[in-house]
Amino acid sequence: QVQLQESGPGLVKPSETLSLTCTVSGGSISSFYWSWIRQPPGKGLEWIGYMYYNGNTNYNPSLKSRVTISIDTSKNQFSLNLSSVTAADTAVYYCARGKYAVYWGQGTLVTVSS
Amino acid sequence: DIVMTQTPLSLSVTPGQPASISCKSSQSLLHSDGKTYLYWYLQKPGQSPQLLIYEVSSRFSGVPDRFSGSGSGTDFTLKISRVEAEDVGVYYCMQGIHFPWTFGQGTKVEIK
Repeated sequence: QVQLQESGPGLVKPSETLSLTCTVSGGSISSFYWSWIRQPPGKGLEWIGYMYYNGNTNYNPSLKSRVTISIDTSKNQFSLNLSSVTAADTAVYYCARGKYAVYWGQGTLVTVSS
Repeated sequence: DIVMTQTPLSLSVTPGQPASISCKSSQSLLHSDGKTYLYWYLQKPGQSPQLLIYEVSSRFSGVPDRFSGSGSGTDFTLKISRVEAEDVGVYYCMQGIHFPWTFGQGTKVEIK
C-alpha cells in the first residue's frame, strides 16, 4: 500500500520560501502524477499543482508565479517550493498521488508568521 | 475557474437512514473523451481527505457500496443509502476537467 509523508518547517517567516518534501513509500515515484493541495485552517481545499514523474507540471494560475514542484526519483520524493509567502499561505499542506489525489499524506501545518 | 456549489452545507442524519448531497458545477464536466470528471472525497475528523467516488459514479477501492454517485453535465449527487457512525465528516465534490481543479465548500455530515 502506497504511503506518503510530508515533511518540512512548521513555521516560515513572511516573504520567505516555504519548502516541503513528500516521501513516497510502498511504490516507485517513477510513474503516476504527484500533487500538492492545501487547506487553510477551518476552510476548504485548494489545489496547488501537480507533476508527472517525467517532470511535466501544471500549477494553479493563482499561485503559478510563486510555485515550483520538483521530483527526486533517486530518493522517491517530490517537493513543493512556495516563494514570497504571506499569512494567507498558512495552511495544512497535503501531498497526494495522482492527478486527482487518489492517495493522500496525513498533511503538515505550515504557519507563516514573524 | 469552475465554481462548485454543494447543498446542503450541513446534514444531521439518524443512523441507518439515507443521506444525499448535491453538487452543481458552473460548467459542464463532460469531457470530449466521453468521461465526466467529477469526484467525491470524505474528510473524517482530524484526517486527510480520502477518495470515495471518481468519474461521477465509480467507487474507489474499499469504499462500501452504501455510497453511490450519480449525475451528469453540471448536476451531481452523492447518496449514502444507510448512514453509519463512521461516515461522519466533511464531504467535498471536486471537478477535474478544467485546471485548476476546484472543490465545493464541503458538506458536514453528523450523526443525530
